Amino acid sequence: DTEVTQTPKHLVMGMTNKKSLKCEQHMGHRAMYWYKQKAKKPPELMFVYSYEKLSINESVPSRFSPECPNSSLLNLHLHALQPEDSALYLCASSQEPGLASYEQYFGPGTRLTVT
Amino acid sequence: AQSVTQLGSHVSVSEGALVLLRCNYSSSVPPYLFWYVQYPNQGLQLLLKYTSAATLVKGINGFEAEFKKSETSFHLTKPSAHMSDAAEYFCAVSALSGGYNKLIFGAGTRLAVHP
Repeated sequence: DTEVTQTPKHLVMGMTNKKSLKCEQHMGHRAMYWYKQKAKKPPELMFVYSYEKLSINESVPSRFSPECPNSSLLNLHLHALQPEDSALYLCASSQEPGLASYEQYFGPGTRLTVT
Repeated sequence: AQSVTQLGSHVSVSEGALVLLRCNYSSSVPPYLFWYVQYPNQGLQLLLKYTSAATLVKGINGFEAEFKKSETSFHLTKPSAHMSDAAEYFCAVSALSGGYNKLIFGAGTRLAVHP
């Protein structure tokens, strides 16, 4: 099973709301990632978790708060977002965080709209 | 620093024609290269990867890619296009940053297939 699941599929939120995105994988992967993808652009890396610890934060604004409760789950907590944060948010995982030869498996994404 | 460049943001072919999507890389170390496909409103799916085992790599859905070190290229081909191949294609190189694996994507190529 090479599946990464994400919920919800779509999310509309106001600028004062608090919401969370959820990602799950059961492949035993020890690296998990959050990406943001704007229309007609490649994914942009936001965060990397390695063995459940935050390893890379690509200077993401604090209104995005990641959390890794266990090795299978990754959350992205959202608060006080701006309309420009509207995008497709992708989660990915890979077997080992420190080996460049391992591919990343992507989930279907959450389409976020901030109003 | 490692990077990839995809030549041609849009490629249009007839059904049954050869598909050729171009990717050139820049890397100071032997690269690990990937091709991903993204269908509308979906996540990224791995087509194939190069990890130095063989220069001609076969992937899913009839796609293959050839690693050419002398040309720093990793072009994606398919002998006969199908309507279902219409999608966005991303070439990516894997890089280690601070000991952690990151994917660096090209800008993407949108493939259109017409009858």
